Amino acid sequence: QQQVKQSPQSLIVQKGGISIINCAYENTAFDYFPWYQQFPGKGPALLIAIRPDVSEKKEGRFTISFNKSAKQFSLHIMDSQPGDSATYFCAARMGEAAGNKLTFGGGTRVLVKP
Amino acid sequence: NAGVTQTPKFRILKIGQSMTLQCTQDMNHNYMYWYRQDPGMGLKLIYYSVGAGITDKGEVPNGYNVSRSTTEDFPLRLELAAPSQTSVYFCASSYPVRASGSRETQYFGPGTRLLVL
Repeated sequence: QQQVKQSPQSLIVQKGGISIINCAYENTAFDYFPWYQQFPGKGPALLIAIRPDVSEKKEGRFTISFNKSAKQFSLHIMDSQPGDSATYFCAARMGEAAGNKLTFGGGTRVLVKP
Repeated sequence: NAGVTQTPKFRILKIGQSMTLQCTQDMNHNYMYWYRQDPGMGLKLIYYSVGAGITDKGEVPNGYNVSRSTTEDFPLRLELAAPSQTSVYFCASSYPVRASGSRETQYFGPGTRLLVL
């Protein structure tokens, strides 16, 4: 049973545009929601993360919006740049008692056209 | 500080062969994880460890084994390789939440690409 659903699977955006990726989760025991960025041939790297008691977090051009009641969260990439072309994964973490395990969404491949 | 290192980078195995994927971290992290990533898919947890001598199964443990004799090393063993184990394997490590403060994230290695023919 997939516990974190991510959409879309891929998206193409023009340089300067906004990329929006959505995730939905089922398990209310998740306590931390990170987004990872992965370039081809590399391991995922943390991009930005949020706790469920916060509705929005912004770091530079990247913003997470979090809706606890709907069990949904999204990543917005403002002023998208060609260097942002990568695969993005949302994830949800179980707490320390469960080993801090991450459950990942299926990923979104983002292509930013110059 | 090398972070999380994995060896080998790439390996081809024949069906039925065995191998060990190595993972080492130099950040003194208690927690370590093994994931597999199939093409176009997300990462699935194979095994994890919360400290030396302690391991537990993740979502897809069948066909794999792990051990954790030291804080730094967390090798993943494939005993009888099958084509279904063709994948990219990532090792990751992290601090426990209570000790992490603002450092609460899993740090990933560069991955091992495995092809079973």
